[in-house]
Amino acid sequence: QQQVKQSPQSLIVQKGGISIINCAYENTAFDYFPWYQQFPGKGPALLIAIRPDVSEKKEGRFTISFNKSAKQFSLHIMDSQPGDSATYFCAASTAQGGSEKLVFGKGTKLTVNP
Amino acid sequence: NAGVTQTPKFRVLKTGQSMTLLCAQDMNHEYMYWYRQDPGMGLRLIHYSVGEGTTAKGEVPDGYNVSRLKKQNFLLGLESAAPSQTSVYFCASSYVRNTEAFFGQGTRLTVV
Repeated sequence: QQQVKQSPQSLIVQKGGISIINCAYENTAFDYFPWYQQFPGKGPALLIAIRPDVSEKKEGRFTISFNKSAKQFSLHIMDSQPGDSATYFCAASTAQGGSEKLVFGKGTKLTVNP
Repeated sequence: NAGVTQTPKFRVLKTGQSMTLLCAQDMNHEYMYWYRQDPGMGLRLIHYSVGEGTTAKGEVPDGYNVSRLKKQNFLLGLESAAPSQTSVYFCASSYVRNTEAFFGQGTRLTVV
């Protein structure tokens, strides 16, 4: 059972364009929503995270938009650069029923063409 | 500063063999996790620990065992390796829940 559904699976954007990756969840017990970036041969690294009490968080060119009622959140990368080419994972965390988990989406491979 | 270190980085096992993957963190984190990453499947949680001496099952625990005897170490064991366990394994740690999780570089395991 995929608790966090991520789309698209792959994305190609031109340099300077906007990259948008979407995630949806069902479990309303999730209370922390991070995005991780992974380069080939490396472990994932935290990019940006949001909690459900805010609707948007921006850090530089990266923005998370959060829609609690729709149970959706998305990552926007403005002015995309070739160096942003990586795999991006959304994730969600819960401590429901005493079971503390950080679960991930299946990932989106982003390619930014020069 | 080492962060999260995984040992070994690569390993080839024969079906039925056993092995232990070691994860060490030097950040005094309480939480530690083991994930496996397979193409098109994202990161799936195998087991996790919320403190020294504790362990709990994640999404895909079958065929794996873990131990957290020391706060800084989290061991993942495969008692009888199967080809379905061919994967890249990542260890991660975080101070508490809902804080940044730091990942190791991964262990690429092939079971033939």
